[in-house]
Amino acid sequence: AQKITQTQPGMFVQEKEAVTLDCTYDTSDPSYGLFWYKQPSSGEMIFLIYQGSYDQQNATEGRYSLNFQKARKSANLVISASQLGDSAMYFCAMREADRGSTLGRLYFGRGTQLTVWP
Amino acid sequence: DARVTQTPRDKVTEMGQEVTMRCQPILGHNTVFWYRQTMMQGLELLAYFRNRAPLDDSGMPKDRFSAEMPDATLATLKIQPSEPRDSAVYFCASGEDRRFLRFFGPGTRLTVL
Repeated sequence: AQKITQTQPGMFVQEKEAVTLDCTYDTSDPSYGLFWYKQPSSGEMIFLIYQGSYDQQNATEGRYSLNFQKARKSANLVISASQLGDSAMYFCAMREADRGSTLGRLYFGRGTQLTVWP
Repeated sequence: DARVTQTPRDKVTEMGQEVTMRCQPILGHNTVFWYRQTMMQGLELLAYFRNRAPLDDSGMPKDRFSAEMPDATLATLKIQPSEPRDSAVYFCASGEDRRFLRFFGPGTRLTVL
């Protein structure tokens, strides 16, 4: 079974609007972490936001917020006030507990291509 | 700004040739990962090291791939012999224990003809 599912191959949003990118995950591990990365056309992987499974509050980083719904196993990324520079591929990823470390193997989704139009 | 560096950035080679990719993790980071990105498979882990010891190389084809950390400032990924199906972008990433993975290198784009 897929550990990370991103059901939206592509999304379009107008500049200055908010957009939600969907991500669901599958794990039986009580300790895990959820990530979002951005990959612009230049190809680099840029870390955006992290949510630990025990974190009580949703993570926020500037215009990015992670809508964490544990019971639904969902970790959607919300980008507020979209900018043209937000056009990129966005990957959701999960890390399970690994020998007691927070640094372990990441499982990635297939990504969502976001296009921001003027 | 601390960065993970990778060399070469682009490599075109012919089938059967040996390919070596290098990664310099951020100073002080004790965990180094190799990921591969292809259109077919997406992003997948090949191997990772902690304190230079291999922890997981289950994603690597053992017959042709090898990964090492000769010292704390260098990680290498070798393919011998290379095949066209190895064409991909190979990312190195590094992190500190008790933190989460933030830093990826720019990637090596490998094309095997």
